[in-house]
Amino acid sequence: QSALTQPASVSGSPGQSITISCTGTSSDVGGYDYVSWYQQFPGKAPKLMIYDVSNRPSGVSSRFSGSKSGNTASLTISGLQAEDEADYYCSFTSSDTRVVFGGGTKLTVL
Amino acid sequence: EVQLLESGGGLVQPGGSLRLSCAASGFTFSGYAMSWVRQAPGKGLEWVSAIGGSDGRTYYADSLRGRFTISRDNSKNTVYLQMNSLGAEDTAIYYCATDGPSRKLDFEHWGQGTLVTVSS
Repeated sequence: QSALTQPASVSGSPGQSITISCTGTSSDVGGYDYVSWYQQFPGKAPKLMIYDVSNRPSGVSSRFSGSKSGNTASLTISGLQAEDEADYYCSFTSSDTRVVFGGGTKLTVL
Repeated sequence: EVQLLESGGGLVQPGGSLRLSCAASGFTFSGYAMSWVRQAPGKGLEWVSAIGGSDGRTYYADSLRGRFTISRDNSKNTVYLQMNSLGAEDTAIYYCATDGPSRKLDFEHWGQGTLVTVSS
């Protein structure tokens, strides 16, 4: 299974909204809703931010939202804050219980 | 509070073996699938393997070519990763992680990771 495609980097100014895309195929992202998003700070373990395309775990800020259109899932961060600067990864779990991650996106808050 | 504590990492020569452990606490361990995810230095995340909570079914990334074996001991709340025929490409931080709210390997809780370095 091929890795999901994410932009290497995105940037935005405080208060703005940014969107990170995660592109797969009709066999994975486009066909099922098992897409998750993770936030990772340097030297730290990842943190689950979104599961099942658009659901937030308890404790995750409502500024983070997920969606999907066709073969592309998206993570949107609204009201961008300096503390959001991190790496973000999407993942997909297949029907045969294998997981593939996207290559990761570095978010820079200008 | 959920806690995952990995151990067993270190320096190993190419072709060698290593066994990682992940001790879990703060939740009903047998009720959750557990996974190993690795991250090579400066690189992205790569899922390695998963094991079911009660049924113990195992799943592996195709890229491992049968070199790794995941197991668990629910009486000790511990999951293991036996790694054989290690190569430089296996150098990474290895994280263990619990299954999440969807129960579809969305990784809700993570350990701090253990570093495996394969080098002569």
